[in-house]
Amino acid sequence: NAGVTQTPKFRILKIGQSMTLQCTQDMNHNYMYWYRQDPGMGLKLIYYSVGAGITDKGEVPNGYNVSRSTTEDFPLRLELAAPSQTSVYFCASSPPARVADYEQYFGPGTRLTVT
Amino acid sequence: DAKTTQPPSMDCAEGRAANLPCNHSTISGNEYVYWYRQIHSQGPQYIIHGLKNNETNEMASLIITEDRKSSTLILPHATLRDTAVYYCIANAGGTSYGKLTFGQGTILTVHP
Repeated sequence: NAGVTQTPKFRILKIGQSMTLQCTQDMNHNYMYWYRQDPGMGLKLIYYSVGAGITDKGEVPNGYNVSRSTTEDFPLRLELAAPSQTSVYFCASSPPARVADYEQYFGPGTRLTVT
Repeated sequence: DAKTTQPPSMDCAEGRAANLPCNHSTISGNEYVYWYRQIHSQGPQYIIHGLKNNETNEMASLIITEDRKSSTLILPHATLRDTAVYYCIANAGGTSYGKLTFGQGTILTVHP
């Protein structure tokens, strides 16, 4: 299994441009997440999904959109990029969250700079 | 999620045990204690989790106090590759859809 893959690895955007960060998992996990990590800080949840067609906001959703048309893919869309969105973006997935058991598997991250 | 408090940094000699503390005095009865680590800006990696009992796996041991207000992650024989940021997270598991709240963690530096 490749696990969780993210593309691109790096990207530089100009203010006002748009882009889609791709995330794919091959573990048949129902749950998927997008986090961002600013320098020296912990990760913050942007959006999450508990299955195809179901998404919900996390702690910092403004400026982002997501969709989940398949179990495998969970793209994150940035519209009208702003310098405040300069960050490292991590995608993660986990099996359905049973009571005790949910290890999250993280992708390698996408490093985004908005100038 | 209950708030967790960790020291910002710790050092450990290679080959010795690394004991990373975490305070979670407001933890609820249904919240688990999870530990993740992040090596040099890679994606976080799950280490271990527990509810009440002490837990051990191939990576580490987790000791939770009887009142559940604090816990300690133990890396029994730290190596240079264990240098990372370690995050302690209190989370209610399935009832919160797996959403994790990361603090700033503890930077563990393992010295030769």
